Amino acid sequence: DAGVIQSPRHEVTEMGQEVTLRCKPISGHNSLFWYRQTMMRGLELLIYFNNNVPIDDSGMPEDRFSAKMPNASFSTLKIQPSEPRDSAVYFCASSPVSGTEAFFGQGTRLTVV
Amino acid sequence: AQSVTQLGSHVSVSEGALVLLRCNYSSSVPPYLFWYVQYPNQGLQLLLKYTSAATLVKGINGFEAEFKKSETSFHLTKPSAHMSDAAEYFCAVIHNQAGTALIFGKGTTLSVSS
Repeated sequence: DAGVIQSPRHEVTEMGQEVTLRCKPISGHNSLFWYRQTMMRGLELLIYFNNNVPIDDSGMPEDRFSAKMPNASFSTLKIQPSEPRDSAVYFCASSPVSGTEAFFGQGTRLTVV
Repeated sequence: AQSVTQLGSHVSVSEGALVLLRCNYSSSVPPYLFWYVQYPNQGLQLLLKYTSAATLVKGINGFEAEFKKSETSFHLTKPSAHMSDAAEYFCAVIHNQAGTALIFGKGTTLSVSS
């Protein structure tokens, strides 16, 4: 298996622009997670899905952030409008069964200027 | 709610020395515990996990961790550090139940000098 695939690996955008991050989980995994990593705050859980249904989005920082999982093999995290403080590495992860270890993608490094 | 605390944001050891990275957890129910490693510009990779079987857990790259309920700890050790062990290490906790997600500690950066 190719593992969790995220795209793009790097994104540089101007403040105010819309940004969409993409994730393809490992086939057969039924849980998907979005995390954000910064120096100041470490790894923060933003949102997670079980069987394509959002379970907990309490970590989403603002209404500017939204996430979708239209099917078992694809998820997006959208920021609109983006701000410089959104600059971070965003990780997608998936689990075969809820309540077990997660497998991480390589991350998307987002820079908002 | 569950959480983990990693003591020491930065640990430095010499090559061949013992590695000890500390993690304490807080959980109202029996937890599952994990250690992950992150190399520069990479995602997180699972080192080992505790899932209520043996309290001493062996992982990849010679690492191991011991679950101590009385101390609410899950410290990571390696008898002899190698230069390639230099990375950031994260402790994580999850409830053993459906509909939950890993919660991570702040991470500990391990430096290994020759």
